[in-house]
Amino acid sequence: DGGITQSPKYLFRKEGQNVTLSCEQNLNHDAMYWYRQDPGQGLRLIYYSQIVNDFQKGDIAEGYSVSREKKESFPLTVTSAQKNPTAFYLCASTGGGLAGGIYIQYFGAGTRLSVL
Amino acid sequence: GQSLEQPSEVTAVEGAIVQINCTYQTSGFYGLSWYQQHDGGAPTFLSYNALDGLEETGRFSSFLSRSDSYGYLLLQELQMKDSASYFCAVRRTPLVFGKGTRLSVIA
Repeated sequence: DGGITQSPKYLFRKEGQNVTLSCEQNLNHDAMYWYRQDPGQGLRLIYYSQIVNDFQKGDIAEGYSVSREKKESFPLTVTSAQKNPTAFYLCASTGGGLAGGIYIQYFGAGTRLSVL
Repeated sequence: GQSLEQPSEVTAVEGAIVQINCTYQTSGFYGLSWYQQHDGGAPTFLSYNALDGLEETGRFSSFLSRSDSYGYLLLQELQMKDSASYFCAVRRTPLVFGKGTRLSVIA
């Protein structure tokens, strides 16, 4: 089955620690995204990548880093510089990008990050 | 820039019809999408309108008026399981989401 796999489902970070969230997709999509969602809030874009070896900052990139070495993979690192990392993190990819065609964003099941 | 406005909360009775509105401001418009997110879950795609008019998918319909920069999601025969957050999104790169409308369906 095609889809987006995020791991781990739950993650705990200690003070001063960097942690990496995994995102893998087998949908053959070029574009991938990372969002942060706080309780009762909307989706805030952290980073996105439209092609391998290229990525752009979103609205809240400070304290985060990404890489896109393979089409299938778009890991997110939450660095120690992110002072309030507790949130639900969602990875997504987009396909069907023909002009006028249906444009669907698919999401992984998310990673819930908490601070110890 | 891009912005989308939708109500933050809506409450409706089981079996009723509810409409969730979305107004948008964007440069270059290719379409309006709707996503559903249950508590603790991931957003899932519901509907997409590229052209004016109504798109129907079972109990859900979505409408778009490009001249008014306005769309809505219509949910009919509401069920308790429809309690969720609903997001409109404008097709851009990256996709631009509204802040979401929390729908509570009550008995």
